[in-house]
Amino acid sequence: EVQLVESGGGLVQPGGSLRISCAASGFTFSTYSMDWVRQAPGKGLEWVSYISSNSVTNYIDSVRGRFSISRDNAKNSLYLQMDSLRDEDAAVYYCVREVNRGCFDYWGQGTAVTVSS
Amino acid sequence: EIVMTQSPATLSVSPGERATLSCRASQSVNSNLAWYQQKPGQAPRLLICGASTRATGIPARFSGSGSGTDFTLTISSLQSEDSAVYYCQQYNTWPSYAFGQGTKLEI
Repeated sequence: EVQLVESGGGLVQPGGSLRISCAASGFTFSTYSMDWVRQAPGKGLEWVSYISSNSVTNYIDSVRGRFSISRDNAKNSLYLQMDSLRDEDAAVYYCVREVNRGCFDYWGQGTAVTVSS
Repeated sequence: EIVMTQSPATLSVSPGERATLSCRASQSVNSNLAWYQQKPGQAPRLLICGASTRATGIPARFSGSGSGTDFTLTISSLQSEDSAVYYCQQYNTWPSYAFGQGTKLEI
């Protein structure tokens, strides 16, 4: 059974940093591209970042230069390092598995990031 | 930047009837479009990939159509459990993606 379990969310002050993680199981993690998708409270879905199986990355413009996606295939884990956090980064962050160059077939339960002073 | 626009924002339909949800892209995305269902308090679930291919385990009453800029998700024989927010997502600009703002379906 495919499982994606996020962790590391919490309260952080504006300008602060946070690293969230995703533990993957039930599939060969190293062969899949992975993404982070976020959802602000009461809002829609927003794609945030992509990483290929060999660690090619991409970001939405609003987080480029502040966020860094990475993966550890030996640990079946995905990460998102978030620096210089802003109020508008507050959201539930979902770890997702990507198939067919862009469809997200499995989602984690999400981890909540709150940015507030 | 491709902008995805969904309509209507909210749709109320009776059980057993059919719902038609629309998604329009600001420029062609070919058939690189997915649909997701999100129920309150849950993560989204993939329904359709490639504009018309149902994901594993998705009932046949969910169908997708369209290509280019105009897409439709049709849900026939609506059931109460279909109440949810539905999102379209383009992936023609891989690996950069965009979601529509969602359509809330009330049964």
